[in-house]
Amino acid sequence: DTGVSQDPRHKITKRGQNVTFRCDPISEHNRLYWYRQTLGQGPEFLTYFQNEAQLEKSRLLSDRFSAERPKGSFSTLEIQRTEQGDSAMYLCASSGGRSSYNEQFFGPGTRLTVL
Amino acid sequence: RKEVEQDPGPFNVPEGATVAFNCTYSNSASQSFFWYRQDCRKEPKLLMSVYSSGNEDGRFTAQLNRASQYISLLIRDSKLSDSATYLCVVPLGPIYNQGGKLIFGQGTELSVKP
Repeated sequence: DTGVSQDPRHKITKRGQNVTFRCDPISEHNRLYWYRQTLGQGPEFLTYFQNEAQLEKSRLLSDRFSAERPKGSFSTLEIQRTEQGDSAMYLCASSGGRSSYNEQFFGPGTRLTVL
Repeated sequence: RKEVEQDPGPFNVPEGATVAFNCTYSNSASQSFFWYRQDCRKEPKLLMSVYSSGNEDGRFTAQLNRASQYISLLIRDSKLSDSATYLCVVPLGPIYNQGGKLIFGQGTELSVKP
């Protein structure tokens, strides 16, 4: 499978715990994006990378959230001291290569439930 | 005003019906637009791109009215398999090569019944 992959697919945690998600983009894509989606809403932008550089962060990304892409390939999104309001689907997308940069391909998402 | 607004739905239509979804956007500088399809509990997938006045792909037609900042998606001869949520999407960033973030509408749910 050469699409975007995410791990884990589901995560249940208790409030206050830290969680980390991983995203592996399509191999030739140099741009990687994180979005968050809650029930009944469209995805909301969180942050994106071009290669290893984090180019933009949304105001939604509080200081409890941190994202990295150390080698310009896979990326991690960490949430510290999780809150119930963090429960959502976290989607990763990538773009670049031969396709238009604006066409982003999404992974299956990580569904986070904070109890 | 939200950056991208869509009809809230849901739309419940019989097989074979024609259904249209509407979307408005606030950034008059936007150059390209997308419709994504999202099945229940799945990731969004690109359905159509719209770079000029419109685009047609089989039963699907997307139209763009820049003056009114309005995009539509028309589905003809609806199939059961068309049941999904349709997301209107506006990228922020110049067309083609800058690849900025995507701004999504809330989505319009379509249910096609036998």
